[in-house]
Amino acid sequence: RKEVEQDPGPFNVPEGATVAFNCTYSNSASQSFFWYRQDCRKEPKLLMSVYSSGNEDGRFTAQLNRASQYISLLIRDSKLSDSATYLCVVNILIYNQGGKLIFGQGTELSVKP
Amino acid sequence: DAGVIQSPRHEVTEMGQEVTLRCKPISGHDYLFWYRQTMMRGLELLIYFNNNVPIDDSGMPEDRFSAKMPNASFSTLKIQPSEPRDSAVYFCASRPLSGNTIYFGEGSWLTVV
Repeated sequence: RKEVEQDPGPFNVPEGATVAFNCTYSNSASQSFFWYRQDCRKEPKLLMSVYSSGNEDGRFTAQLNRASQYISLLIRDSKLSDSATYLCVVNILIYNQGGKLIFGQGTELSVKP
Repeated sequence: DAGVIQSPRHEVTEMGQEVTLRCKPISGHDYLFWYRQTMMRGLELLIYFNNNVPIDDSGMPEDRFSAKMPNASFSTLKIQPSEPRDSAVYFCASRPLSGNTIYFGEGSWLTVV
């Protein structure tokens, strides 16, 4: 079983739609959580961190359920520029050695006019 | 500010040849990561270093792969001998001691024919 699992998609949605991505993780030592965005043929870049209480950044809302080991990302009023691959990321803490970031395989989003 | 710098950006090589990928992390960052990305397997962590010391190399596929970090500003990932299945994008990333955000280089696109 992969440590971080995502629905690969693709999700094809019209502009203005609301779209939700889900992610599950298996390692209970996971300490912190993120969503990264990767554009075609580019490197991944941090989109937002995910906090236990849930957090929002403009049109983006992230949620974390530690009991279920589940993370979500909601995009409201989607734009053409949101088309990308969204990567769910967990930081697994290694005692006294920082942590290592483990990436899900990514969910591809395509927003159409 | 200079980000993570990788070289070469693109390499095409014949099976059996040695490949050396290079990375210069962001100055002052304590952690350096090597990832490999393919369509089939997504983004996989190969190895990471803390203050030039390898911490976790459990993701290194096999003995053909080796990584070094002789100083805080330079790391190499070497494949010898290379095989067609090594074709992938290899990303280097770095992170400061505090904080969980990692910063990726633009990647080295490797094709082994």
